Amino acid sequence: NAGVTQTPKFQVLKTGQSMTLQCAQDMNHEYMSWYRQDPGMGLRLIHYSVGAGITDQGEVPNGYNVSRSTTEDFPLRLLSAAPSQTSVYFCASSGQGTGNTIYFGEGSWLTVV
Amino acid sequence: GDSVTQMEGPVTLSEEAFLTINCTYTATGYPSLFWYVQYPGEGLQLLLKATKADDKGSNKGFEATYRKETTSFHLEKGSVQVSDSAVYFCALRGNSGGSNYKLTFGKGTLLTVNP
Repeated sequence: NAGVTQTPKFQVLKTGQSMTLQCAQDMNHEYMSWYRQDPGMGLRLIHYSVGAGITDQGEVPNGYNVSRSTTEDFPLRLLSAAPSQTSVYFCASSGQGTGNTIYFGEGSWLTVV
Repeated sequence: GDSVTQMEGPVTLSEEAFLTINCTYTATGYPSLFWYVQYPGEGLQLLLKATKADDKGSNKGFEATYRKETTSFHLEKGSVQVSDSAVYFCALRGNSGGSNYKLTFGKGTLLTVNP
């Protein structure tokens, strides 16, 4: 039961570098999303997708890019890393319907120095 | 827009004590309500959920009842264990205005249970 798989789990970047956080789900879910978790802030939505080829911005999209070419994959790209992007990132997926559970990956701990 | 307010921590209890973590929400329509738990160094796991008013979610001795009249979803456990030490997040998934693609989270409550 893989569920939602994120890689890498830990990453250190230098300011200005770019990288991609990978996310894959094997539950055939239509909805996928990326959140970031910061101390005292809870989780905030970065970008989301309601299906292959469809993406949109969440609360804190600046500095991030996404694409959804397949149902399974939803990578998050940091275009030019900044120290303010030091955070824990979670990918999530779910089926449609308000009552459906949203499942999370194990998280990616990113430090930008 | 939707919002969730939960009791700020940290909360420190002795083993076998009673736990309550308060959670209230603001949302239009009929959201679903969730409690997620995050153990140290791990991701978020669903603890329990309720999808309509007066529903009670329960799991691992934890319970929460969806109270529409008070817009609340308080988490309770009768006797906590050291292994319950974690951060607990209250969250809602809306069903109006196209908001059901996401969860709106509270800020989290850190629970520490001492032996």
